Amino acid sequence: QSVLTQPPSVSAAPGQKVTISCSGSSSNIGKNYVSWYQQFPGTAPKLLIYDNNKRPSGIPDRFSGSKSGTSATLGITGLRPGDEADYYCGTWDSSLSVGVFGGGTKLTVL
Amino acid sequence: QVQLVQSGAEVKKPGSSVKVSCKASGDTFNNFGISWVRRAPGQGLEWLGGIIPIFATINYAQKFQGRVTITTDESTSTAYMDLSSLRSEDTAIYYCTRVLMVSFAMDVWGQGTTVTVSS
Repeated sequence: QSVLTQPPSVSAAPGQKVTISCSGSSSNIGKNYVSWYQQFPGTAPKLLIYDNNKRPSGIPDRFSGSKSGTSATLGITGLRPGDEADYYCGTWDSSLSVGVFGGGTKLTVL
Repeated sequence: QVQLVQSGAEVKKPGSSVKVSCKASGDTFNNFGISWVRRAPGQGLEWLGGIIPIFATINYAQKFQGRVTITTDESTSTAYMDLSSLRSEDTAIYYCTRVLMVSFAMDVWGQGTTVTVSS
């Protein structure tokens, strides 16, 4: 049971837009920055979004992040088959003093 | 460009311990934290614990309290994660990550170390 809640899976057609939600509480998302990670099978996760909505160098602007209250959202536009991966949100929980992740969302590009 | 290089795969018996290393090249641990994250088969990412060497602060996930120990050797820019009393459920890929303080973003990841616990 993850501290942050994500949908197990989302799907959309190539070229379309998809959003992935991440729900938490006042002690984690409500108080701290949210990051998003992308993981392909057999590889290490990669930072996609940090500080709620910033993209590291090299991450295309098709990927975006937002936060409102105790929830965060990852948006991906112009979907490509190569975007099929697992996506995780993560943050710090100030009450528990631990790092926390969502359960992960598997993206399928139909 | 900092890189994190982890030690090789391990096969362990139930009840034993494993120690995974993570060496930073191209930078030191100054001004950054180090976290350890694992992914078990069919499961999602799980945070085990983290250390901020410059402040000498260490935090562990409650689930692993008493079983996990995270240390660093700043002279060699190497971090270690020691997990004891291994059980089959600890079979997973273990990653070390560089953590940006304040944002808690994990911007650099090691390649992962597969730990298999089997009798």
